[in-house]
Amino acid sequence: EPEVTQTPSHQVTQMGQEVILRCVPISNHLYFYWYRQILGQKVEFLVSFYNNEISEKSEIFDDQFSVERPDGSNFTLKIRSTKLEDSAMYFCASSERTVQETQYFGPGTRLLVL
Amino acid sequence: KQEVTQIPAALSVPEGENLVLNCSFTDSAIYNLQWFRQDPGKGLTSLLLIQSSQREQTSGRLNASLDKSSGRSTLYIAASQPGDSATYLCAVVPGNAGNMLTFGGGTRLMVKP
Repeated sequence: EPEVTQTPSHQVTQMGQEVILRCVPISNHLYFYWYRQILGQKVEFLVSFYNNEISEKSEIFDDQFSVERPDGSNFTLKIRSTKLEDSAMYFCASSERTVQETQYFGPGTRLLVL
Repeated sequence: KQEVTQIPAALSVPEGENLVLNCSFTDSAIYNLQWFRQDPGKGLTSLLLIQSSQREQTSGRLNASLDKSSGRSTLYIAASQPGDSATYLCAVVPGNAGNMLTFGGGTRLMVKP
């Protein structure tokens, strides 16, 4: 069964460093998403991406964040200058066509900022 | 702003029991509601998706219902098994805000053998 994959599974970085989290969505899916979950808190929406542009973003997704689909398979989340509060599990998700369809989640990248 | 709440936060039951998990949302204008399972330190596995026009969905031992007007959904698990132990999350796509999922805090379920 097709699945969303994410790399790396764990990342440790120093405050102020740039990190890139990578995702490979399900191949025939057109909508891509990033969510995050700070330990002990709710899963929060960051951004959605369709047709090579951001379709929606939350207040969390400020200028420190960016997303890119550099080729036909990868979808990346970049955090330019990490802060301690960026420590969280980051989930990538994809859906086939529209908002009314199931979003399939990857296993997540656990980011720890020291 | 849409708020999603799940009660109880934790639940422990003996194996074989039927159980109900609750989810409520403050704004009834939703596109759909999705139930997920999350194992410790892992990703989210989609269990069921209910469109706003539907009343319920079934998959195996799972049945999810939706009462949009009252802002409630329930996930019914029949004949629970230890392997069902996980955190169950519900999430809604608000009707006025594109395609973002808004999540509840989850119910942590433990099924004891």
